[in-house]
Amino acid sequence: DAGITQSPRHKVTETGTPVTLRCHQTENHRYMYWYRQDPGHGLRLIHYSYGVKDTDKGEVSDGYSVSRSKTEDFLLTLESATSSQTSVYFCAISYRGLAGYTFGSGTRLTVV
Amino acid sequence: GESVGLHLPTLSVQEGDNSIINCAYSNSASDYFIWYKQESGKGPQFIIDIRSNMDKRQGQRVTVLLNKTVKHLSLQIAATQPGDSAVYFCAENNENDMRFGAGTRLTVKP
Repeated sequence: DAGITQSPRHKVTETGTPVTLRCHQTENHRYMYWYRQDPGHGLRLIHYSYGVKDTDKGEVSDGYSVSRSKTEDFLLTLESATSSQTSVYFCAISYRGLAGYTFGSGTRLTVV
Repeated sequence: GESVGLHLPTLSVQEGDNSIINCAYSNSASDYFIWYKQESGKGPQFIIDIRSNMDKRQGQRVTVLLNKTVKHLSLQIAATQPGDSAVYFCAENNENDMRFGAGTRLTVKP
C-alpha cells in the first residue's frame, strides 16, 4: 500500500518472548493506529497515536504497548507474547483522525 | 449481512450481476460510515463513505444506502466483476470511536 509499510510481514515467535512490529509511513499523517484482525471479528483497535509521543489505548490494549518517537514510525510491542495474541495486525494512517484510513498490508503473527 | 460469528456470511453472484451487501450497525449515534474491501492477504481498502445526513451516495459502480431508522447500511456493486471478489465490511464512527463489522465474503462466478 502506497505510503505505509509494515514489517515484518510474517513472524512466528514463542510464548513469553517480546515482539515488536513496525509501521512506517511516508505521508506525514498525524494519526496512526494499530488494529488486530481475528476470524469472525471486525478490526479491533489496540492503540493509536495522534502525534509524536502522543498515544492512547484502544479497545484491546492489554498486553500491548506502543511508541512513536517520530512522525513516520509507530511501533507495537508485545511485552511477553501469548497464544491469544496470534492474529493479523494492521497499521493504519489518517490525516484527519477518522476518515480516510489507509491500511498497511498487515503482519501475520503466530505465537507458539 | 454482518456477523460476529466464527464464519463470515457469504454472497455468491454471477459475473455481470449486481451485488448487494448488507450491514447492521449498532450505535444510533454513529454519524459516519465507511465500506471497505479486503482482498486475501492484503489490508482493507476504502471504497465509499457516507455521513448520517445523507441516505444515498454513489461512486463508480458502487452505491451506499443508509437507513438510520433501522440502523442498516448496504453496499451495491453494479455489474460485478471477478476482481470484486473479496471480503467487504462496514465501519461506523461515533465521536472518533470507529467500529468495524466482521464482513461478508463476496465470490463472483465467471
